[in-house]
Amino acid sequence: EAQVTQNPRYLITVTGKKLTVTCSQNMNHEYMSWYRQDPGLGLRQIYYSMNVEVTDKGDVPEGYKVSRKEKRNFPLILESPSPNQTSLYFCASSLYRGGAEAFFGQGTRLTVV
Amino acid sequence: AQSVTQPDIHITVSEGASLELRCNYSYGATPYLFWYVQSPGQGLQLLLKYFSGDTLVQGIKGFEAEFKRSQSSFNLRKPSVHWSDAAEYFCAVGADNDMRFGAGTRLTVKP
Repeated sequence: EAQVTQNPRYLITVTGKKLTVTCSQNMNHEYMSWYRQDPGLGLRQIYYSMNVEVTDKGDVPEGYKVSRKEKRNFPLILESPSPNQTSLYFCASSLYRGGAEAFFGQGTRLTVV
Repeated sequence: AQSVTQPDIHITVSEGASLELRCNYSYGATPYLFWYVQSPGQGLQLLLKYFSGDTLVQGIKGFEAEFKRSQSSFNLRKPSVHWSDAAEYFCAVGADNDMRFGAGTRLTVKP
């Protein structure tokens, strides 16, 4: 079954404690991305990756890092989380950027206290 | 760059009533157009998409959308809403190697 798997689904952490949210896809997609969803703002792109070792900033990259060492995995790293990063995060993958259907993970609800 | 607007933040309809969710986009040419649904606690799932051709597109779960170039719109419709359709709906526009999502419309279904 085609899927994008994110872990964990829920996470509560304290300010400044580094965390990683994992994302893995089994569709051999070249394009992967991370979004955050906040009420009234819809989905905003954090980072994206066009292929292995190719990553770029989206609209709201501050405070986040990503890496793409393998095609299937695209982890999101918060080196020093702050309360304004409390949000619902989604990983997505697609064949290419812009014109292809995006497949989404189930989301990670992050609370930073 | 393209942009997309969903004018309605929240819509309430009665079960069995018809539904129309609005989506307007801004782009110089015809972009790729999508509607996604997000059920509570879930990720986004594709309902339908428009790339070219017939401007009336059929999707899953009985949804359809119509592309109107003159109005730069891609409205989502369903003739008879079911309680299970309560969710958040996102319109998305793909163009120039980029994808933009609207802010979403939350649908509440009254019994």
